[in-house]
Amino acid sequence: DAGVIQSPRHEVTEMGQEVTLRCKPISGHDYLFWYRQTMMRGLELLIYFNNNVPIDDSGMPEDRFSAKMPNASFSTLKIQPSEPRDSAVYFCASSLVSTRGAFFGQGTRLTVV
Amino acid sequence: AQTVTQSQPEMSVQEAETVTLSCTYDTSENNYYLFWYKQPPSRQMILVIRQEAYKQQNATENRFSVNFQKAAKSFSLKISDSQLGDTAMYFCAFMKAQGAQKLVFGQGTRLTINP
Repeated sequence: DAGVIQSPRHEVTEMGQEVTLRCKPISGHDYLFWYRQTMMRGLELLIYFNNNVPIDDSGMPEDRFSAKMPNASFSTLKIQPSEPRDSAVYFCASSLVSTRGAFFGQGTRLTVV
Repeated sequence: AQTVTQSQPEMSVQEAETVTLSCTYDTSENNYYLFWYKQPPSRQMILVIRQEAYKQQNATENRFSVNFQKAAKSFSLKISDSQLGDTAMYFCAFMKAQGAQKLVFGQGTRLTINP
């Protein structure tokens, strides 16, 4: 299995621009998570989906953030407009109920200048 | 709400030594899961070991083992015969058994294995 695949690995963008992060979960997994990692706040859960349906988006910092999961094999996290404080590593993870553990992608390092 | 606390920001040991990383958590749940994740410089989050709260036996995975003390809400990770490749950030994480499968992470411990 290829594992969770995220793209891009690195993204540098200017303040105000739209940023889209992509994720392909492990085939057959029914949960998908978006986490953000910063030095100050550690690992924070932004949103998670179950069977493509958003279940909890209480971690999404502001309306500038949105996430979609149009099908079982693809999800996006969009930031519009981006701000320097959004600079972080964004992880996508997926899990299957029976495994009781999430498997992470390699993350996207986002830098907003 | 659940919280996870790792009180050791950094640790450093010599290669081949045994090292123990501490983790405590707070929850009112009776059934749950606990995890240790490793994050090497490559930044990939790697699941190291998993413990189910209803199992009294401590989980082991090769050189990695845990000391799970449910009453004390403590979940430490022991790495035996440490290797240079064990150098990484280690995160303790909690997940409820019922309902949402979201992980709550501790702040992490930076472990350095010295040659």
